[in-house]
Amino acid sequence: SQTIHQWPATLVQPVGSPLSLECTVEGTSNPNLYWYRQAAGRGLQLLFYSVGIGQISSEVPQNLSASRPQDRQFILSSKKLLLSDSGFYLCAWGQTQETQYFGPGTRLLVL
Amino acid sequence: AQSVAQPEDQVNVAEGNPLTVKCTYSVSGNPYLFWYVQYPNRGLQFLLKYITGDNLVKGSYGFEAEFNKSQTSFHLKKPSALVSDSALYFCAVRDGGNYGQNFVFGPGTRLSVLP
Repeated sequence: SQTIHQWPATLVQPVGSPLSLECTVEGTSNPNLYWYRQAAGRGLQLLFYSVGIGQISSEVPQNLSASRPQDRQFILSSKKLLLSDSGFYLCAWGQTQETQYFGPGTRLLVL
Repeated sequence: AQSVAQPEDQVNVAEGNPLTVKCTYSVSGNPYLFWYVQYPNRGLQFLLKYITGDNLVKGSYGFEAEFNKSQTSFHLKKPSALVSDSALYFCAVRDGGNYGQNFVFGPGTRLSVLP
């Protein structure tokens, strides 16, 4: 069966510091991968998605970037965090147009 | 453009009573519709989906949803609510006729089941 992992689970970082959040998927190949941000326990904002290694699409311009160095690995990064980057970051995977399955999330607090 | 509305911010229901969480959508092509549930500090869990076929879809934990094309709705229902159903519920849609189109999620509805 397929599983999706995210780490770390929680992270507290100072403003201006770098960020690296990792997401990995097991039990499937060539998945579509997604990064979402959820603010204040409400709606989801799609940040990036990837349909293959090295293929990244950005939905909103911002302080973050994403990379997909391996088929089942998706990384969210920032060179310098802003206060507004705080939130709950969710990674998801899916195949073609079917269901997306979400990881457990990373809670980021920027101070 | 596609969109999803969840008109109720909060739904309160007594344990044992039926529950409904409402969702309406707008999409130019064929709608693919989904419901997810989120417990505190957790990722979203898939509940059910409508792609094609029977308008009444049954999912996990006794939930079901009815696709109504004329009303562009996909309301989530359960005959008898449990306290453990208390969570945040998200409806999502994608355009089934547009391969490149991603999911659009509604703002979420917080369900509280009172003992």
